[in-house]
Amino acid sequence: GQQVMQIPQYQHVQEGEDFTTYCNSSTTLSNIQWYKQRPGGHPVFLIQLVKSGEVKKQKRLTFQFGEAKKNSSLHITATQTTDVGTYFCAGLGGSNTGKLIFGQGTTLQVKP
Amino acid sequence: NAGVTQTPKFQVLKTGQSMTLQCAQDMNHEYMSWYRQDPGMGLRLIHYSVGAGITDQGEVPNGYNVSRSTTEDFPLRLLSAAPSQTSVYFCASRNRGRNTGELFFGEGSRLTVL
Repeated sequence: GQQVMQIPQYQHVQEGEDFTTYCNSSTTLSNIQWYKQRPGGHPVFLIQLVKSGEVKKQKRLTFQFGEAKKNSSLHITATQTTDVGTYFCAGLGGSNTGKLIFGQGTTLQVKP
Repeated sequence: NAGVTQTPKFQVLKTGQSMTLQCAQDMNHEYMSWYRQDPGMGLRLIHYSVGAGITDQGEVPNGYNVSRSTTEDFPLRLLSAAPSQTSVYFCASRNRGRNTGELFFGEGSRLTVL
C-alpha cells in the first residue's frame, strides 16, 4: 500500500537558523498537503501542492512538490520560537478514494 | 460554526471493555476519517468514509469498527479494548475529491487502556 516517509524525526535549531523537513512517497501522489501540530494540539492545515514541480511560499515557509510527484519538502527560513511543533506531510494517492496518508512527522524545537 | 467535535476528550478503560468515540461535523463534509497518533508513528489512518452508508479500512483497522448513518456523524467503536489501543485519536473531515483541500481535525480524544 501507499507509504509516506518523512525525515528527520526530530530537529533542534537555534532561533534564526533554517530548517527543512523532507517527505517521500512510495507511489505517485495526486497532491500533497502539509500540516502543523503545536504541542498538545491538533494538526492544522498549512498548504496543498498539486502540480509537478510546484513551489509555494507563506512568509518564511517554502513548500516544494517534486517533479515526479513523489517527494516534497518544507523549508523554514530564520526560525522563530513560534515555529515550534510537529510538521506533517500527507499524501493523496492516485486512486479516487480520497484517502490521505500521513508521514511520521518532524518535531521542531527552537532554542531562543 | 463548531467544525469537528469529538467526545470524550479523555477516557480510561480496562482491558476488554468497550466504548465509542463520537465525532460530529457541521460543515456538510462528505469525507470523514479517524486517525490514531502514537509517539514516533505519526498519524495512522484507522477507517474512513466517503459518504453516508460507505466506510472503508485504513492502515490500522483491526480492533475498531465504524459506521456512517448520517453525513454529520462518524463514531469509532472499540469492541474489546486492549492496552495497544492506548493512543490519541483524531477525527477529521473534508470535502470529497482529489484536490479539494484541507482536512479539518477535531481536538482529539486521549484514550488509556489499563
